[in-house]
Amino acid sequence: DGGITQSPKYLFRKEGQNVTLSCEQNLNHDAMYWYRQDPGQGLRLIYYSQIVNDFQKGDIAEGYSVSREKKESFPLTVTSAQKNPTAFYLCASEKREGLGEQYFGPGTRLTVT
Amino acid sequence: GDSVTQMEGPVTLSEEAFLTINCTYTATGYPSLFWYVQYPGEGLQLLLKATKADDKGSNKGFEATYRKETTSFHLEKGSVQVSDSAVYFCALRRPTGGGNKLTFGTGTQLKVEL
Repeated sequence: DGGITQSPKYLFRKEGQNVTLSCEQNLNHDAMYWYRQDPGQGLRLIYYSQIVNDFQKGDIAEGYSVSREKKESFPLTVTSAQKNPTAFYLCASEKREGLGEQYFGPGTRLTVT
Repeated sequence: GDSVTQMEGPVTLSEEAFLTINCTYTATGYPSLFWYVQYPGEGLQLLLKATKADDKGSNKGFEATYRKETTSFHLEKGSVQVSDSAVYFCALRRPTGGGNKLTFGTGTQLKVEL
C-alpha cells in the first residue's frame, strides 16, 4: 500500500538538543510539506519542497531545518533555537499538479522538557 | 494575506442530527477550497473540494458549496453518526502566486453522541 510514514509516533527530548523527525512517502509525489499543529491554531506551514534538492520556508521556519536529497524523504530537524518545540508535527505530500490534494502522515508528537 | 475562518468548537450533536460547520475565507482571486478531516491521533484526510464558484463538493454524505458572493464554503451533513466525531479543517489554495501552499482554518471539533 502506498502512503506516508512518520516515525516515531511519540518523541521526547531534553531542552537544548536537536531532534530529527522522519517522513517517508512511496506515492511518487513530487511535493512534500511539514506542518506544525498546536491546539486552537490549526496547521501552520514550516517548510515545503516541490522538487528534490530544493525547498522553501513556510510561515514559521525559524528554528527548523530540512533536507530533500531523495524524492521519497523529507526529514525535519527541530533545532535548539526553536523556542517552543513541543507540538504535533505532520508531514504531507502532493503529486505534481495535485491541485491541493495533500496526503498526510499520522504525525509525530514531540515533547521537549 | 489569505485567511480562513471557521466556527469555534466543539460542536456537540446527537446521532442523526443535521450538521453545519461554517467556513468563510479571504483570498486574492479565485482559490480552490477544501475540507479536511482529522480523526483522533491521526493525520488529516481530504474530505471534499471545490475549485470554482458554485461547485459542490461531496463525499461520504458531506457536502459543501463554493459561494463566491459570500466567500463561504460551509460543510453540511444531513444525518451525522458517532463515527463522524473528528476535527474538521477548512482550507484554501490560491490558483497562482501562493507557492502551492494550503492555508488552513483553526479546525472545528465535532462530537456526536448516541
